[in-house]
Amino acid sequence: GQQLNQSPQSMFIQEGEDVSMNCTSSSIFNTWLWYKQDPGEGPVLLIALYKAGELTSNGRLTAQFGITRKDSFLNISASIPSDVGIYFCAGQPSNSGYALNFGKGTSLLVTP
Amino acid sequence: DAGVIQSPRHEVTEMGQEVTLRCKPISGHDYLFWYRQTMMRGLELLIYFNNNVPIDDSGMPEDRFSAKMPNASFSTLKIQPSEPRDSAVYFCASSFEGTSTDTQYFGPGTRLTVL
Repeated sequence: GQQLNQSPQSMFIQEGEDVSMNCTSSSIFNTWLWYKQDPGEGPVLLIALYKAGELTSNGRLTAQFGITRKDSFLNISASIPSDVGIYFCAGQPSNSGYALNFGKGTSLLVTP
Repeated sequence: DAGVIQSPRHEVTEMGQEVTLRCKPISGHDYLFWYRQTMMRGLELLIYFNNNVPIDDSGMPEDRFSAKMPNASFSTLKIQPSEPRDSAVYFCASSFEGTSTDTQYFGPGTRLTVL
């Protein structure tokens, strides 16, 4: 499937700092999703975006669907130790039916 | 409220053996997805079903892999014969078209190690 370019690959920050990560694609996507995966568990959906330009928040998390439909970003404000994990972007290409393509993930470490 | 259930959680087997992974989707969900996760390739979709019918199996790596969904509450992913390069975490996910097929709920995964 269509590979998503997710960056950064990893982040090491201090508690209280803000975090930003993003995903880009060479193709147009109908939907952008952001998941978090804790060690030994499956990914859990954080935010779903369905319209170009859409900005959605979920607590300290904010994500946006890029206006070109080829990118998305996720921001985490005032990070806390439990934010540690791997964050994945996922997109549904316009021609994929219901399949999702995933980025390779951003590994986030937060020190107290 | 039970989520997606997968078994076993861990499987260690020797090359050449048959491996069967099992999944029980969330009750009422009509889509079921099988993914494989590795460090090198990330999360890859292998196959997905709608109402127990395989819709897209283009991600299945080769003929050694097969998946079935005999009813709405059970699916299997079989590898025969298994090879060391099949070592990965295999996830099952389900969704419901009535709300959004994009909202896929993942199981905890099966960590497969082929020696």
